[in-house]
Amino acid sequence: DSGVTQTPKHLITATGQRVTLRCSPRSGDLSVYWYQQSLDQGLQFLIQYYNGEERAKGNILERFSAQQFPDLHSELNLSSLELGDSALYFCASSVEGANVLTFGAGSRLTVL
Amino acid sequence: DQQVKQNSPSLSVQEGRISILNCDYTNSMFDYFLWYKKYPAEGPTFLISISSIKDKNEDGRFTVFLNKSAKHLSLHIVPSQPGDSAVYFCGFRGGSNYKLTFGKGTLLTVNP
Repeated sequence: DSGVTQTPKHLITATGQRVTLRCSPRSGDLSVYWYQQSLDQGLQFLIQYYNGEERAKGNILERFSAQQFPDLHSELNLSSLELGDSALYFCASSVEGANVLTFGAGSRLTVL
Repeated sequence: DQQVKQNSPSLSVQEGRISILNCDYTNSMFDYFLWYKKYPAEGPTFLISISSIKDKNEDGRFTVFLNKSAKHLSLHIVPSQPGDSAVYFCGFRGGSNYKLTFGKGTLLTVNP
């Protein structure tokens, strides 16, 4: 158990729908990162939050949004889902200034 | 924007032999380099890292080499064990935030 908790582990939904993925970081970690792993695409950085503020943005689609709440948990919202959004979504956390990120087990999204 | 290339999607070695995984990068701003290992149905876990001021770092059976002039990062596993069979990602950090940029991963299979 890495200490980073992601829910749900698996999610199956239809095109056009909206889903929310949740992440609780390790105790004491203020930074949260979201990554997407699609087939043959490796780990693609989506967005980073630090203590509730957006810190960096990567290849995140406009249909996707995220936020970090005062209790430091984070949610990734995916809307108007397309077949190509099927992927593993990982959350990672770290303390400020750390070089190493700790990843959760991921949420597997299947869009049918 | 292919800042990182992990050109071998898969590698197969015999137990007891050396496994060598490679990554190339183009971004001169990268200053910290990591390897992560990922088993199926789990999140990536940190394996070993190296800063830009060093060219080699060892941790037991794992050694990471950095060739800054060639912009090349490698991971050596000696001796390889069947439990090392996993997907290995190289990760790169640089810039004002602490996000990691990853390669696409190499599936290592160690045969008994």
